[in-house]
Amino acid sequence: AQSVTQLGSHVSVSEGALVLLRCNYSSSVPPYLFWYVQYPNQGLQLLLKYTSAATLVKGINGFEAEFKKSETSFHLTKPSAHMSDAAEYFCAVSDPSGYSTLTFGKGTMLLVSP
Amino acid sequence: NAGVTQTPKFQVLKTGQSMTLQCAQDMNHEYMSWYRQDPGMGLRLIHYSVGAGITDQGEVPNGYNVSRSTTEDFPLRLLSAAPSQTSVYFCASRLYSNQPQHFGDGTRLSIL
Repeated sequence: AQSVTQLGSHVSVSEGALVLLRCNYSSSVPPYLFWYVQYPNQGLQLLLKYTSAATLVKGINGFEAEFKKSETSFHLTKPSAHMSDAAEYFCAVSDPSGYSTLTFGKGTMLLVSP
Repeated sequence: NAGVTQTPKFQVLKTGQSMTLQCAQDMNHEYMSWYRQDPGMGLRLIHYSVGAGITDQGEVPNGYNVSRSTTEDFPLRLLSAAPSQTSVYFCASRLYSNQPQHFGDGTRLSIL
């Protein structure tokens, strides 16, 4: 069985500060990993994905994430936060074999203050 | 290209009523899923399908029914609505298991 833990239901940063959202996963096989963003009253939008290629993955809007197998982590970072980054972020894991489903973490709300 | 389309966007039901949430995708994706989103709970999988005629249960299937007669459509049926089913429902689709999900805009359902 696979699972995802997102540390911190809320993270607050100042505009221009580093953004770090934590994600740890549990999977019996090397997983596929995804980060999604959800703006208020909208669906989920893909930020980036890891599917066993390069361990440092670059996504949209200046976000990136690094797959660290030894730490079973896939933390999301952005060097400089912008007010428009305020949203809820979800980490998700998928078993790459066969008819795999996607398991989501509980989400982290990013708050950006001026 | 419409992507994943969910209807209705909002719905209010009374306890015991039944209804169907519609989901359609035009990307010829084999995999389709229904999730519910509740505050602090993330997205939880209700039912999913890996192709026409093939469905399976997810984490929270009780009280919901699905069928997949075509590749494009994957409706979710509430058999007898309960207040605990008040939630935001998302439909998603993807081509293969290593591909990201494409999400609809959601259906906001309130059950009184």
